[in-house]
Amino acid sequence: GESVGLHLPTLSVQEGDNSIINCAYSNSASDYFIWYKQESGKGPQFIIDIRSNMDKRQGQRVTVLLNKTVKHLSLQIAATQPGDSAVYFCAENMAWQNTDKLIFGTGTRLQVFP
Amino acid sequence: DAGVIQSPRHEVTEMGQEVTLRCKPISGHNSLFWYRQTMMRGLELLIYFNNNVPIDDSGMPEDRFSAKMPNASFSTLKIQPSEPRDSAVYFCASSLGPGTSGGAGNEQFFGPGTRLTVL
Repeated sequence: GESVGLHLPTLSVQEGDNSIINCAYSNSASDYFIWYKQESGKGPQFIIDIRSNMDKRQGQRVTVLLNKTVKHLSLQIAATQPGDSAVYFCAENMAWQNTDKLIFGTGTRLQVFP
Repeated sequence: DAGVIQSPRHEVTEMGQEVTLRCKPISGHNSLFWYRQTMMRGLELLIYFNNNVPIDDSGMPEDRFSAKMPNASFSTLKIQPSEPRDSAVYFCASSLGPGTSGGAGNEQFFGPGTRLTVL
C-alpha cells in the first residue's frame, strides 16, 4: 500500500518577496529557541536563535519573533532568494534545566519561484 | 574547523547485516546527538551523550540499536540486525553542552548525515 508521510506545510513565495514561516512550540517552560534550515541532501543548519527574555532578534535578512503568550515563533526572511528554498525547522530548549536537548518541530517547506 | 564528520555518507546493506555509523564531533564540544530522519516520522532524537556519558536514550527504537562514545572525539551507532524499516538518514550533531548562559551553547551543529538503505 501507499505509505503516508508527514505532511509538511509548504510556503511558496516569489523571489524578492518577504517570507514568514510560523511555528507553534509545545512547552511553555522552553526558554531558548532556534531556527534551522535544511537543504536537500544536507543536515540542518543553524540560522538564528532567540532567548525567552527577548521578543525579537534580527540577523542578516532574517528576523525571529517570539510570542510567549501564545507559544508562537516566526521566522521572517527579507527579499527571499532561490537559495532560501529549503525546509525550515524551529527547535525549543529548556536551558534552565541545564539540558541541551532540542525538541524539533515538523518543519515547513519554503519554495521560491522566479 | 571541519565541522561534524560522519561516515559513511551512504550505506546499502541487506536485511540482517550489521551496520555501524560513525561520527566525529566538533573538537571541544561536550554533547553529541544521534538523530534519524524519515519521511514518515521526520527528525527523531535517538540518543544523546554529554561528556561521553549517555544521558537520554529514550528514542532508541529497540534493542537492535546501540550507541557508544568511547572518547570525546568519536561515537558509533550500531544496528544489528538491520531491517528494511531502518532505512533513513542518520544525523550526528554536537554542541558545546548545557550550562552556558541562557541557552547559547545549546545550538547543535549537524553533520552531513549517513543515508542508510536496507534491502
